[in-house]
Amino acid sequence: AQSVTQPDARVTVSEGASLQLRCKYSYSGTPYLFWYVQYPRQGLQLLLKYYSGDPVVQGVNGFEAEFIKSNSSFHLRKASVHWSDSAVYFCAVSATNNNAPRFGAGTKLSVKP
Amino acid sequence: DAGVTQTPRHEVAEKGQTIILKCEPVSGHNDLFWYRQTKIQGLELLSYFRSKSLMEDGGAFKDRFKAEMLNSSFSTLKIQPTEPKDSAVYLCASSLGGPDTEVFFGKGTRLTVV
Repeated sequence: AQSVTQPDARVTVSEGASLQLRCKYSYSGTPYLFWYVQYPRQGLQLLLKYYSGDPVVQGVNGFEAEFIKSNSSFHLRKASVHWSDSAVYFCAVSATNNNAPRFGAGTKLSVKP
Repeated sequence: DAGVTQTPRHEVAEKGQTIILKCEPVSGHNDLFWYRQTKIQGLELLSYFRSKSLMEDGGAFKDRFKAEMLNSSFSTLKIQPTEPKDSAVYLCASSLGGPDTEVFFGKGTRLTVV
């Protein structure tokens, strides 16, 4: 089955700084890739998704991610973070029609004022 | 529209007890998922249903964990017997179906086993 690795459990950045959260997936075929965000006491919400086309995909709130097939990566980026971006971010991969999405362990983002 | 509803939001159980967690998916969704969330492991798949049929069963969770879909709008997760290592947040989620569709999550049930 497919799997996801998020190597950074915690990331701290200053407000206004740029951000990159790393995600690597494992799947032999062409994956469907997602980023979700979990705000405190909330359910996970979709930020963006990718399957084909332009490898840079735009999401909500200024987030974008780039699919690099040669590196099996799908890193999340934002040019300038806001304190309200503090949350836990999950990368996910779906493969075939008969398998559930697999999620990474998550990266907790803290934005310092 | 109502999202995914999970009850209870918090559950405290003694070791060896049987607990049942409940989930109502988004109306009209065909796929339903149960995940366990911990800080170390992140989200681990427990069960996946499509149109009430079990599609995947998390291998590591088969012995004491049993999810059921009683109808298209209600699912339960039974843990029997509970152990302290089961303390975690249990998430229910649903989607229209298909690998490219958005998954909608409930707020979870926080289980503490003492």
